[in-house]
Amino acid sequence: AQKITQTQPGMFVQEKEAVTLDCTYDTSDPSYGLFWYKQPSSGEMIFLIYQGSYDQQNATEGRYSLNFQKARKSANLVISASQLGDSAMYFCAMDTGRRALTFGSGTRLQVQP
Amino acid sequence: NAGVTQTPKFRILKIGQSMTLQCTQDMNHNYMYWYRQDPGMGLKLIYYSVGAGITDKGEVPNGYNVSRSTTEDFPLRLELAAPSQTSVYFCASSSRRQGLPIPNQPQHFGDGTRLSIL
Repeated sequence: AQKITQTQPGMFVQEKEAVTLDCTYDTSDPSYGLFWYKQPSSGEMIFLIYQGSYDQQNATEGRYSLNFQKARKSANLVISASQLGDSAMYFCAMDTGRRALTFGSGTRLQVQP
Repeated sequence: NAGVTQTPKFRILKIGQSMTLQCTQDMNHNYMYWYRQDPGMGLKLIYYSVGAGITDKGEVPNGYNVSRSTTEDFPLRLELAAPSQTSVYFCASSSRRQGLPIPNQPQHFGDGTRLSIL
């Protein structure tokens, strides 16, 4: 079975600082993709970044980077230079190609001025 | 770019009523999904479809039905609404390419339907 664990229900960060959101996963499939989504208070789901299980390098997309440690089965999201608009729920999700995404329970990030 | 469109955005139902949540996508994606999100939780898969005419159950399918007669549309039917079905419903789509070992396409989500059963 596939499982995503996000152990931080809520996080606070000062504006302009970096923050790491934790994600660990469990799967027996050798091939999988890891995704991070942002859900602002308005409710929509916004795709942020993707990491494939065979990718040698950590993924980066602008201020977002993914700290992928395959042996530890972790895929932490790093947001650099936090902005007030980064305040939202963040979901880690995994796709093993079997059916659909398996989501974690999310981390609520609040950026303080 | 419309992407994934869900209607309605909000709905209140009485216990025992039925309704259909509509979902359409204009990206020619072969895969479509229905999720529900309960307050403070992640998304759980209700049903999914790998193409027109093909549907399959997800993690929480009880109380729901789906159909996929076209590539674009994937409606979700609630037959006898129950308070436990109060939730936010998301439709999503993605393009999966046959033969690739790793799923690498993000899912594109609609804006959600907020449904209350009273």
